[in-house]
Amino acid sequence: DAKTTQPPSMDCAEGRAANLPCNHSTISGNEYVYWYRQIHSQGPQYIIHGLKNNETNEMASLIITEDRKSSTLILPHATLRDTAVYYCIVSSSGSARQLTFGSGTQLTVLP
Amino acid sequence: GAVVSQHPSRVICKSGTSVKIECRSLDFQATTMFWYRQFPKQSLMLMATSNEGSKATYEQGVEKDKFLINHASLTLSTLTVTSAHPEDSSFYICSARGGQGVREKLFFGSGTQLSVL
Repeated sequence: DAKTTQPPSMDCAEGRAANLPCNHSTISGNEYVYWYRQIHSQGPQYIIHGLKNNETNEMASLIITEDRKSSTLILPHATLRDTAVYYCIVSSSGSARQLTFGSGTQLTVLP
Repeated sequence: GAVVSQHPSRVICKSGTSVKIECRSLDFQATTMFWYRQFPKQSLMLMATSNEGSKATYEQGVEKDKFLINHASLTLSTLTVTSAHPEDSSFYICSARGGQGVREKLFFGSGTQLSVL
């Protein structure tokens, strides 16, 4: 699976949009981009995933660049409960076999 | 949505004892489940892949005789930490595939914090 690069930490003001970047320059054509988050002492929570088109669900939006070498997860109105470590993961064939977790981005939402 | 239940959430045991952790897929069948371990301030590390009806596949460096995995049904996988020692203290997390096709994703249990005294 392709390797991803994320900033180690970010802050965001409560109520503002949180934009979390991820670089995956070696992504291959059949690899999906997955986003999970982990709140302290809990299991990871699925947020969203996509192949090449932008995706939106009730939690977030995923913007994937046209060359697919990077993506951005957008939390439109961050709340304090969104404080967590966010993981960007690429996995092949649309089948989420085991996922390899990098170090992720610690997002802190500030009041 | 799909739910993965993991039990217990926290266990404290004495050194030398064995601890069993259960992982259940509640509303879907999972032929494959995954076990991860996470040390403080570190990311999740895959330990093994649990396959229903067959032997588990362990990642390099993970002792199969110490971390026994049983996947006897399509909804239950267990991880037994045998003869636990303080260095086995960690956060253990299971996951299972749910959904179909492009909607397939991994769902994670809530984790088990193991403390070995």
